[in-house]
Amino acid sequence: NAGVTQTPKFQVLKTGQSMTLQCAQDMNHNSMYWYRQDPGMGLRLIYYSASEGTTDKGEVPNGYNVSRLNKREFSLRLESAAPSQTSVYFCASSEWAELNTEAFFGQGTRLTVV
Amino acid sequence: LAKTTQPISMDSYEGQEVNITCSHNNIATNDYITWYQQFPSQGPRFIIQGYKTKVTNEVASLFIPADRKSSTLSLPRVSLSDTAVYYCLVGDKGSGAGSYQLTFGKGTKLSVIP
Repeated sequence: NAGVTQTPKFQVLKTGQSMTLQCAQDMNHNSMYWYRQDPGMGLRLIYYSASEGTTDKGEVPNGYNVSRLNKREFSLRLESAAPSQTSVYFCASSEWAELNTEAFFGQGTRLTVV
Repeated sequence: LAKTTQPISMDSYEGQEVNITCSHNNIATNDYITWYQQFPSQGPRFIIQGYKTKVTNEVASLFIPADRKSSTLSLPRVSLSDTAVYYCLVGDKGSGAGSYQLTFGKGTKLSVIP
């Protein structure tokens, strides 16, 4: 099992460019999450999808959009990248959107906006 | 919202037992307490979870007093490879009915010294 797979692993964007971060999980999990982690900081929730067909805002949703394409895939889109969005982005999944279920994280996408 | 407070950083020598305490004064009745570990350049990894009293697995022990307003993660005989950031999480209900967000604080950076 691959677990949670994120693509790409690294990306450099110019200010104003758009891109989509891809995330796929092969554990048949219902819930998926996108986080960002700035240097020396904890993880902040951007958006999450408690189940297929639903998405909700997290702590820092501005500047991002998400799509739960199907049960396996949850993408994060930056429509007009800004230097403040330079960060490491983590995708995660869990069986249910409840704390008493273990969450599995991908290896991260390191995004630099210049 | 059940917020958590934990020390920013801790140092320990190899072979010592390390205890990291997390405060969560407004924990809800149904909330579980979960700890994650994050190595540099990797996504967080689940290490242990509990509801009350004591839980032990092959990696760590989790002590939860009767009032559940705090919890202590205990790592026995740490090694250099235990150098990581440790996050304490308590249930944080999201906007969707019955859905919870995984909310990470800044965590505790544990440095193990040879």
